[in-house]
Amino acid sequence: NAGVMQNPRHLVRRRGQEARLRCSPMKGHSHVYWYRQLPEEGLKFMVYLQKENIIDESGMPKERFSAEFPKEGPSILRIQQVVRGDSAAYFCASSPGTPEAFFGQGTRLTVV
Amino acid sequence: QKEVEQDPGPLSVPEGAIVSLNCTYSNSAFQYFMWYRQYSRKGPELLMYTYSSGNKEDGRFTAQVDKSSKYISLFIRDSQPSDSATYLCAMRETSGSRLTFGEGTQLTVNP
Repeated sequence: NAGVMQNPRHLVRRRGQEARLRCSPMKGHSHVYWYRQLPEEGLKFMVYLQKENIIDESGMPKERFSAEFPKEGPSILRIQQVVRGDSAAYFCASSPGTPEAFFGQGTRLTVV
Repeated sequence: QKEVEQDPGPLSVPEGAIVSLNCTYSNSAFQYFMWYRQYSRKGPELLMYTYSSGNKEDGRFTAQVDKSSKYISLFIRDSQPSDSATYLCAMRETSGSRLTFGEGTQLTVNP
């Protein structure tokens, strides 16, 4: 059973471009969470989604950031018009609805 | 005040030592408590999960939860150099709600 798959592992974008991060949850998992981690800091919650629904987006910046988890395909975290401050590691976790959540290896976004 | 407080360390111990890692929290609604291990430039790996107060043991790892004191601990017995990592506590109110993390404690086990 493959774990949570995130791609790309590394992404470099110039200021003003769009970044698109993908997350394929573990088989049988319908709950997806996105977190951001800055260097030397803990994980900060961004958004919680179930298939086709956003359940909790209280940690998501109001502008430029969006997330989706369509009926088919991976969950996508989209950052429009990236700025240097968006540089971070973005982690996705999935869960079958039980309390445990399992993380992917992350996407490291660098904005130049 | 942060919902979850965790001493960032760094913590350095000799091989074979017993390690104690701790978190405190302020939200009395938290019911599920987890410990994750994160190696450098990797994703967090779930180590232990407990529900409500009590102890749980898994090999060299023991997790304790004291809800009355809002205090959780992770003990590592016979620590190994391969245990060197950042340890993150995490907790949630319900099985489907978001996880709230501590800042992580950086542990180094010296051979």
